[in-house]
Amino acid sequence: QQQVKQSPQSLIVQKGGISIINCAYENTAFDYFPWYQQFPGKGPALLIAIRPDVSEKKEGRFTISFNKSAKQFSLHIMDSQPGDSATYFCAAKQTGTASKLTFGTGTRLQVTL
Amino acid sequence: GAVVSQHPSRVICKSGTSVKIECRSLDFQATTMFWYRQFPKQSLMLMATSNEGSKATYEQGVEKDKFLINHASLTLSTLTVTSAHPEDSSFYICSARTIGLAGKQFFGPGTRLTVL
Repeated sequence: QQQVKQSPQSLIVQKGGISIINCAYENTAFDYFPWYQQFPGKGPALLIAIRPDVSEKKEGRFTISFNKSAKQFSLHIMDSQPGDSATYFCAAKQTGTASKLTFGTGTRLQVTL
Repeated sequence: GAVVSQHPSRVICKSGTSVKIECRSLDFQATTMFWYRQFPKQSLMLMATSNEGSKATYEQGVEKDKFLINHASLTLSTLTVTSAHPEDSSFYICSARTIGLAGKQFFGPGTRLTVL
């Protein structure tokens, strides 16, 4: 019940295209869903996050879509750029000082010229 | 966003020696810090959660006597890999969370440990 399933495992998108990464969760107690971007040899960086009281959140070229009934959320990267090439992790947790992030398995995104 | 630093960024040591990794929250106080391990092309695996001034809580399968964690202050946590062996070679990442930035975790840049 603690799993967060992420797909696809890898993704190749042309420059200017839309990158879409999907995640699904089981634990209905989760109420915080962040996405992290990780470049090789670096730690993950918080990209964007959403709480279940909204269905969509947009920050620049990055948008999270959230479907509470389906227990799914996705990251959309508009106008994808070669500099977006990285590994993306979705995560989920429930509010509380003892809570821990549950990570997806990661998606390696490559944006080609 | 808040900044978390780690030191060293990479370390090479001989088998049987101990290695200490420091994690600092530079511009906020972290009541809770986390230590992760990441193998190549894999997700982050939580090793332990530490709260300032108390003993760390280790995840199942993580040896607490091998991976010593100290969270001595609100800005510093250390991970000591004792009697390191080649199988301990990995990318170790710390993360810090504070009540003031509710629900957000900020990660350090990671430490690459290579045990020869």
